[in-house]
Amino acid sequence: GEEVAQTPKHLVRGEGQKAKLYCAPIKGHSYVFWYQQVLKNEFKFLISFQNENVFDETGMPKERFSAKCLPNSPCSLEIQATKLEDSAVYFCASSHNLDIQYFGAGTRLSVL
Amino acid sequence: QKEVEQDPGPLSVPEGAIVSLNCTYSNSAFQYFMWYRQYSRKGPELLMYTYSSGNKEDGRFTAQVDKSSKYISLFIRDSQPSDSATYLCAMSELGGATNKLIFGTGTLLAVQP
Repeated sequence: GEEVAQTPKHLVRGEGQKAKLYCAPIKGHSYVFWYQQVLKNEFKFLISFQNENVFDETGMPKERFSAKCLPNSPCSLEIQATKLEDSAVYFCASSHNLDIQYFGAGTRLSVL
Repeated sequence: QKEVEQDPGPLSVPEGAIVSLNCTYSNSAFQYFMWYRQYSRKGPELLMYTYSSGNKEDGRFTAQVDKSSKYISLFIRDSQPSDSATYLCAMSELGGATNKLIFGTGTLLAVQP
C-alpha cells in the first residue's frame, strides 16, 4: 500500500494481559521502525528492522516486549503481561532507504 | 539534558502571521533534520527534511539548519487555521549504526481565524 497501516487503532487490556500490535509498511520499503509516544509527546524509539532482520533493538525493554517482521506478513509488536505504564500510542514508521520515515496513524494502547 | 530541546508552547498566533518554531540539540553527529506535523490523535506527517546545514523552502514552509550553533528552525508564512497542530522536530545520525529518530517534545500551535 501507499501508507503505513497500523491495526488496531485502539486496544484495551487489563493489567497482565498480552497485547499485540500490527504494522504493514509502505510497499517497497525495507525498513520498519517502532516508536512509543507517551505523555507530553515524548517519542521513544523501540526497535527497527531491515526486512525480517532486526536492525537496531537498543530501545526495546529487556522484558515483556518482542517484535517480528516476517515475509509476507504485517510486522508485529507484542507486549506480554502488560503494565499500566505501557499505556501509550505505539507508532510504526517505514522507510525505503533510511532517509525519510513515514508514520502510520498509531495504535493507542490503554492498560487498565 | 535531553539530546533535543523544543519549546512546548503553546503558541497562539492570528491568521496570516509568520510562525517561527525552533529546536536545539547537543549531538554533533546528527546529519538529517526533519519537521513533522501531528494533528490530534493522528500520526506524524513529514513536512520538511534537510541534510546538514542550510535552508530549504517548500511553499509557505522554510526549514533552516545551523550546525555550528546546533539550532534548527521552521518558519511558516501566511499561517492558516489548518496549520493548527503540534510540530515536532526530529533528527538522526544517517549512516551511523542506527537511523532512529530523536524527537523534540513538540510545539503546540494554534492559528486563530
